[in-house]
Amino acid sequence: DTAVSQTPKYLVTQMGNDKSIKCEQNLGHDTMYWYKQDSKKFLKIMFSYNNKELIINETVPNRFSPKSPDKAHLNLHINSLELGDSAVYFCASQRGQGSGYTFGSGTRLTVV
Amino acid sequence: GESVGLHLPTLSVQEGDNSIINCAYSNSASDYFIWYKQESGKGPQFIIDIRSNMDKRQGQRVTVLLNKTVKHLSLQIAATQPGDSAVYFCAENQAGTALIFGKGTTLSVSS
Repeated sequence: DTAVSQTPKYLVTQMGNDKSIKCEQNLGHDTMYWYKQDSKKFLKIMFSYNNKELIINETVPNRFSPKSPDKAHLNLHINSLELGDSAVYFCASQRGQGSGYTFGSGTRLTVV
Repeated sequence: GESVGLHLPTLSVQEGDNSIINCAYSNSASDYFIWYKQESGKGPQFIIDIRSNMDKRQGQRVTVLLNKTVKHLSLQIAATQPGDSAVYFCAENQAGTALIFGKGTTLSVSS
């Protein structure tokens, strides 16, 4: 069983479209994250949810809206996609403060 | 803002050599540090962690060293193997914040 699973793995879409990326973890962790990895491999935190509540919201355009229907799921919806949104998006979960994150395998988003 | 950086973007070693990957961090309030390995097409994978009350921690073939005086973190890989080829990231945080990642070092192991 995959601990943190993301779908889809690849997403190619046109500018202006709206798309969603889904993330599920079966580890029973309370905290989940979205990170964006750019073409230079730099990983930057976007959002964090703890038990369905938003706790970290970095400077991310409001076209990005995370949603957590329950603590095992954290989805990312992106409106009006732009070329600069092209990146690999990683979901991660964490058991508790002071422990490592378990990452999903990523979603490569390409906006054309 | 504060960030974690790495000294070298690439490191090339021969199979069997020991590898040392370095990282400098700037947030003196950070109390937890992790090394991650990312293979092509995959997500970052946890290797080893260390808390600020320690200066050394060993795992299987890996050792992490923490020098709080100069805010330096290193990952040592013993007897490096081709399967160790990947991008390595250091990451740090303090309670209540998300992990901040460094820029990554690409390790290439030739046989």
